Amino acid sequence: KAGVTQTPRYLIKTRGQQVTLSCSPISGHRSVSWYQQTPGQGLQFLFEYFSETQRNKGNFPGRFSGRQFSNSRSEMNVSTLELGDSALYLCASSPGQPSTDTQYFGPGTRLTVL
Amino acid sequence: EDQVTQSPEALRLQEGESSSLNCSYTVSGLRGLFWYRQDPGKGPEFLFTLYSAGEEKEKERLKATLTKKESFLHITAPKPEDSATYLCAVGGGADGLTFGKGTHLIIQP
Repeated sequence: KAGVTQTPRYLIKTRGQQVTLSCSPISGHRSVSWYQQTPGQGLQFLFEYFSETQRNKGNFPGRFSGRQFSNSRSEMNVSTLELGDSALYLCASSPGQPSTDTQYFGPGTRLTVL
Repeated sequence: EDQVTQSPEALRLQEGESSSLNCSYTVSGLRGLFWYRQDPGKGPEFLFTLYSAGEEKEKERLKATLTKKESFLHITAPKPEDSATYLCAVGGGADGLTFGKGTHLIIQP
């Protein structure tokens, strides 16, 4: 069974631009979560989607948004990029509720903001 | 607010030298404790899920245990390929998984 895939793997943007990242979950998984990983803060929860509905959202500004499609694929968008948004963005999928079901992570998208 | 603290931050061992990594947590209602391994430039790789105090799980040279306040990841006779960052996370309320900062483990030949 194929794992979680994320595209693109690497991205370079400049301040003020916006970016869209994509995630395809493991087949049959209905929940997708997004995390930001930086050396200083570690892994921080962004948001979680289950059956196309955002179930939870972490403590990030409104510039960070996401959505989930009927096939469970998910996208996250960051508008008005800032230098501090440079990070590894990780997507994880799980069969059911992420806080109880094991989440399986993709390889991540490395975003660099110049 | 859920909190996870991992110790030590870094650990260097000789090949074959067993040790344990610690994960202390505070959560309003534990719904799962998760261990992951992460190699540089890659996403976290799932290792174990524990749900209740007293539970133990094993996989090759790794064994995870859980109490009401902490979890341990025991590494027996490690090999250089066990070198990685080991992450602990808890599932509790409405904030997804809360991760610790990880333990950076180096196994020297």
